[in-house]
Amino acid sequence: ETGVTQSPTHLIKTRGQQVTLRCSSQSGHNTVSWYQQALGQGPQFIFQYYREEENGRGNFPPRFSGLQFPNYSSELNVNALELDDSALYLCASSLMASGGGEQFFGPGTRLTVL
Amino acid sequence: GEDVEQSLFLSVREGDSSVINCTYTDSSSTYLYWYKQEPGAGLQLLTYIFSNMDMKQDQRLTVLLNKKDKHLSLRIADTQTGDSAIYFCAEKGSSGSARQLTFGSGTQLTVLP
Repeated sequence: ETGVTQSPTHLIKTRGQQVTLRCSSQSGHNTVSWYQQALGQGPQFIFQYYREEENGRGNFPPRFSGLQFPNYSSELNVNALELDDSALYLCASSLMASGGGEQFFGPGTRLTVL
Repeated sequence: GEDVEQSLFLSVREGDSSVINCTYTDSSSTYLYWYKQEPGAGLQLLTYIFSNMDMKQDQRLTVLLNKKDKHLSLRIADTQTGDSAIYFCAEKGSSGSARQLTFGSGTQLTVLP
């Protein structure tokens, strides 16, 4: 069974640029959630994708957008980067029909905005 | 909105038991989770409990849930140096279709030799 993978591992961008982060879900999972974890904080929910559509969104502006592909992998896009976007971005996969709703996390992408 | 609170730090001696506490505000929480995060890594799911249970044991881990007081705890028996990490409590509410988790700020567990 393949776990959740994310790419790239680290990324450095400058303010105003755009970034795309990628996530491959765990085998058999159909739902992907994205979280932002600022230094010293717990993860904050950005949004979730199920069946290639956004299925819930946290308190993040529209410049945070995403996609899910037919193979359930997903992208997170952030436009017009701000310094406060510097964080660890975590992707979690789960099976929508699972009673426990357990979410399994990838290793994350560390984004630094200068 | 939902809120999850944890104490920031806990130190224990190797071999002792650790108890990490968490409180939450969402009375409609259906599942509560404990995750472990080691430096520079993602989150590892340790265990979870359904809201109609009051205890769950899994090897060295015991989860206690007091739904009336909205209090969750994680007990780690025979704590080892490899248990040193940040532990996050998270809850999943019943409102909405998205299975989003609300996390606390994490408890840094330090295991002293």
